[in-house]
Amino acid sequence: DAGITQSPRHKVTETGTPVTLRCHQTENHRYMYWYRQDPGHGLRLIHYSYGVKDTDKGEVSDGYSVSRSKTEDFLLTLESATSSQTSVYFCAIRSESNQPQHFGDGTRLSIL
Amino acid sequence: GQNIDQPTEMTATEGAIVQINCTYQTSGFNGLFWYQQHAGEAPTFLSYNVLDGLEEKGRFSSFLSRSKGYSYLLLKELQMKDSASYLCAGHAGNNRKLIWGLGTSLAVNP
Repeated sequence: DAGITQSPRHKVTETGTPVTLRCHQTENHRYMYWYRQDPGHGLRLIHYSYGVKDTDKGEVSDGYSVSRSKTEDFLLTLESATSSQTSVYFCAIRSESNQPQHFGDGTRLSIL
Repeated sequence: GQNIDQPTEMTATEGAIVQINCTYQTSGFNGLFWYQQHAGEAPTFLSYNVLDGLEEKGRFSSFLSRSKGYSYLLLKELQMKDSASYLCAGHAGNNRKLIWGLGTSLAVNP
């Protein structure tokens, strides 16, 4: 199994609070990704990173920010959580462009 | 535009063969991936095709035709545990990210 750990695995919080999700890898892979997955929408890319301090937006980046200060950690922050951000969040890692992405177990986030 | 299409749902019988199709339009094409996702779990990698033709891995095979923008996943000797969603994904533009289909939910019946 690819060494990817997401934390927390489950979180319930209130609208307006900041939330940070962590993705930690032990594979030393260059690329890291944050997705959200919702019924009827499939996997949608939020942000991704192609190296330390190198990040770029995905298709649904509004309301989210990321940071990657070291190779092994990629943090996703919801600045002020809204109910529309209730979702399952997956982190994925990849070594090079022709290699598959490998996913963490996901974080189930509920915003009340 | 960039798009990946696959059927929403399919059903099949245990022991049978099923083919899940995927058509794509992406810029900077650099291969097509197939993933399996069981309910409540993360997607897991099944196969990657970059050249035309059939790649076989046990009961699962994947086919690619670049000229037709078409791929399929073939599942043989279906088992109940194959009930899952199957996701097709292709590279977008700079190859740093993937475009994902919405997934095909396969139900295997006894």
